[in-house]
Amino acid sequence: DTEVTQTPKHLVMGMTNKKSLKCEQHMGHRAMYWYKQKAKKPPELMFVYSYEKLSINESVPSRFSPECPNSSLLNLHLHALQPEDSALYLCASSPTGLAGTPEQYFGPGTRLTVT
Amino acid sequence: RKEVEQDPGPFNVPEGATVAFNCTYSNSASQSFFWYRQDCRKEPKLLMSVYSSGNEDGRFTAQLNRASQYISLLIRDSKLSDSATYLCVVTYNTDKLIFGTGTRLQVFP
Repeated sequence: DTEVTQTPKHLVMGMTNKKSLKCEQHMGHRAMYWYKQKAKKPPELMFVYSYEKLSINESVPSRFSPECPNSSLLNLHLHALQPEDSALYLCASSPTGLAGTPEQYFGPGTRLTVT
Repeated sequence: RKEVEQDPGPFNVPEGATVAFNCTYSNSASQSFFWYRQDCRKEPKLLMSVYSSGNEDGRFTAQLNRASQYISLLIRDSKLSDSATYLCVVTYNTDKLIFGTGTRLQVFP
């Protein structure tokens, strides 16, 4: 089973709202990732958690705040977003958190619209 | 120069055709190589890893040429369901996947 789940599937929020995206995997994977994808572009890495510790932050604005409560869960807290933050937000996991990591498995994504 | 380059296409091919996609990468220290497939408005799905010895999975064959820093994907006997964007992905000494911009394939009846 290579399933990564994400909730919600769709989210519409105003620029003053606070919301959270959730991601879960039960494959025992030790690395989890957040990506942002705009239409007709490849995914862009935002954050990497390896063994529940933040290992990479790709200079993401502070209005995006990741959290890894345990090895199976990954959250992305959103606050004071801008319309240009509207995108598909993808969570992924991979078996190890080692450099040169093996393949990553993606969840279905949350389609976010900021109004 | 982009780290991973792909022809964006689209490649429009009839059912049953053989189609090949190419990808080049700039970092010779690259360690792992993959092809992902992404359907419209869906997540990327791992299609196959790519090894120096080449590997085949049914109608799909992937090749890696480290000397030329080149990866290929061959699809034989194309099906309508193969229509998607194919993403070439490379990793090196980090946890990051480096994505190409993708090649769009449209198979028509």
